[in-house]
Formats: sequence, structure tokens, C-alpha cells
Amino acid sequence: GAGVSQSPSNKVTEKGKDVELRCDPISGHTALYWYRQRLGQGLEFLIYFQGNSAPDKSGLPSDRFSAERTGESVSTLTIQRTQQEDSAVYLCASSLVAGLDQETQYFGPGTRLLVL
Amino acid sequence: AQSVTQLGSHVSVSEGALVLLRCNYSSSVPPYLFWYVQYPNQGLQLLLKYTSAATLVKGINGFEAEFKKSETSFHLTKPSAHMSDAAEYFCAVSEKGYSTLTFGKGTMLLVSP
Repeated sequence: GAGVSQSPSNKVTEKGKDVELRCDPISGHTALYWYRQRLGQGLEFLIYFQGNSAPDKSGLPSDRFSAERTGESVSTLTIQRTQQEDSAVYLCASSLVAGLDQETQYFGPGTRLLVL
Repeated sequence: AQSVTQLGSHVSVSEGALVLLRCNYSSSVPPYLFWYVQYPNQGLQLLLKYTSAATLVKGINGFEAEFKKSETSFHLTKPSAHMSDAAEYFCAVSEKGYSTLTFGKGTMLLVSP
């Protein structure tokens, strides 16, 4: 079946502009996660959604970052007034449920964001 | 708080040689541990995971890892490297009942003929 998809695959923007990144999770997966991977670094957790519960936003680095999810489907990560340090690969993952045994997160290919 | 340390940002082996990628973790509760692999321009793919069952975990592509509580380690091994194993490998930890993963910085595995 289809895996996690993300768009765009690459995005180049100018400092100060807003960007929107999209994630389509695996159908039926109730949990969705956003991570950021900066050059030479591991993945940093940003935010996760579980069903209709309030999202865990504890990883968002600043109030310029926000994310939405409609039901158990598509999610959009928005970065306002982009800065050069926002340049990174943004990875989305989904899983059947959150916080249970045997849970596996399935990752999309990522969006490479470059802020000039 | 949990954390993951991967020793060595790059590991080079010859084709057919043993692969050993090191991972140490810290966690305040019994952890779940994962190894993911990332091929160029692709997302992360799960290799294997430890979730408190057998301490020796076998994964895909001939990889395995052993959970050693006394050493707080979860090293990844493969008896014989193949050229197709060249990729970046990430160790990750999550705490039971909490979903987000904490990743190490990754180890790039280079395989030479």
C-alpha cells in the first residue's frame, strides 16, 4: 500500500517568507509526527497529533512554527517569517496508534527546505 | 529525560567484514529502542526494534541488535557487510507510554569493495 507522502520534496525560499509543508499519512494511521533534521544532526521532534486529542507541541522551536491536522488525514506544517536556521529536512511519520506496545512510526521521504 | 549517543559519525568497513554501530541511551524508565536506516534522498526505514521481549532482536537485511541493560547499550551488528548497506543509521529511544522518538545524531556506514 501507499506509504507516507510529503510535498514539496524540495523548497527554496527567501528569508522572511512563509512556507507550508504537507504530509499525507498512511490511511488509517491515527498518530502523525513531524521531525526536523538539520545538517549533521539527528532528528528533532517537533509536534505530534493523536486522533482528536490536543496535539503535543512541546518540540516546536518558536512561535513561528505551527501545524494543523484535519481529522486523521493530511497535516500541514507552517513556518512563518523563515530564517536561515530553519533550513533542514522536515520529516513526517505516522503510526497506527500512539503510546502502545509494538508501535512503529513510518516515515515519509521528507521536504528539503532551504532558506536563502 | 531520554537521550541517545551514537559513537562515530562515520564507520568504514570492507565488503564482507563485520558491521558494528554503537548506540548508548539514557532513560528514566525502561525504554523502547529502535534502529532506522536512511538511504540517500529517502525517508527513514525501520530496521528493528526492542520492546521488552527478547534482548537479542533480529531485523531486516541481516541486521541484529542486543539490548544490554547493564551497559545501557543497543549496538547494531551484521556479520558480513554488503555494498548495499551503505547508508546512514539512526538509533532512537522512546519511553513506554510516550510516543515521540529521541534520535541519535546518526552514523554513516561506508562500505568499500
